[in-house]
Amino acid sequence: DTEVTQTPKHLVMGMTNKKSLKCEQHMGHRAMYWYKQKAKKPPELMFVYSYEKLSINESVPSRFSPECPNSSLLNLHLHALQPEDSALYLCASSQDALQGYEQYFGPGTRLTVT
Amino acid sequence: QKEVEQNSGPLSVPEGAIASLNCTYSDRGSQSFFWYRQYSGKSPELIMFIYSNGDKEDGRFTAQLNKASQYVSLLIRDSQPSDSATYLCAVNINDRGSTLGRLYFGRGTQLTVWP
Repeated sequence: DTEVTQTPKHLVMGMTNKKSLKCEQHMGHRAMYWYKQKAKKPPELMFVYSYEKLSINESVPSRFSPECPNSSLLNLHLHALQPEDSALYLCASSQDALQGYEQYFGPGTRLTVT
Repeated sequence: QKEVEQNSGPLSVPEGAIASLNCTYSDRGSQSFFWYRQYSGKSPELIMFIYSNGDKEDGRFTAQLNKASQYVSLLIRDSQPSDSATYLCAVNINDRGSTLGRLYFGRGTQLTVWP
């Protein structure tokens, strides 16, 4: 089973709202990732968690705040977003964050900022 | 600069034909290579991965890797209309001298299989 789940599927939020995206995997993977994907572009890496510790932050603005409560869960807290942050937000997981392990994506959250 | 280039699309083939998707990469230290399929409005789905030079077959899909030429390809035999999607090539490269890997994606090739 290579299932990564994400909630919600769709989210519309105003620029002053605070919301959270959630991601869960039960494959025993120790690495989890957040990506952002705009239309007709490849996914862009935002954050990497390895063994529940933030390992890579791709200079993402502070209005995006990741959290890894345990090895199965990953959250992305959103605050004061801009319309240009509207995108498909993808969570992925892999057995390990070391080079060579395949990553499996969740279905994504389609975010619209109004 | 770590770059992954895919042949520009869109690629259009008739049903039953072989679709050939190509990808080149710039970092000679790359060790693992992945093909993702992404239907419109959906998330990327891992369909093949390859680590060693040569061919790897899985059903109608064959991945080919040539590290000397820094080239990886995906062949889809007996193409079906349901194969119509964007195919993303991804290369896993060590991040800035660490042991952590990260995926570098190509821009994707849009494939259309017409009946």
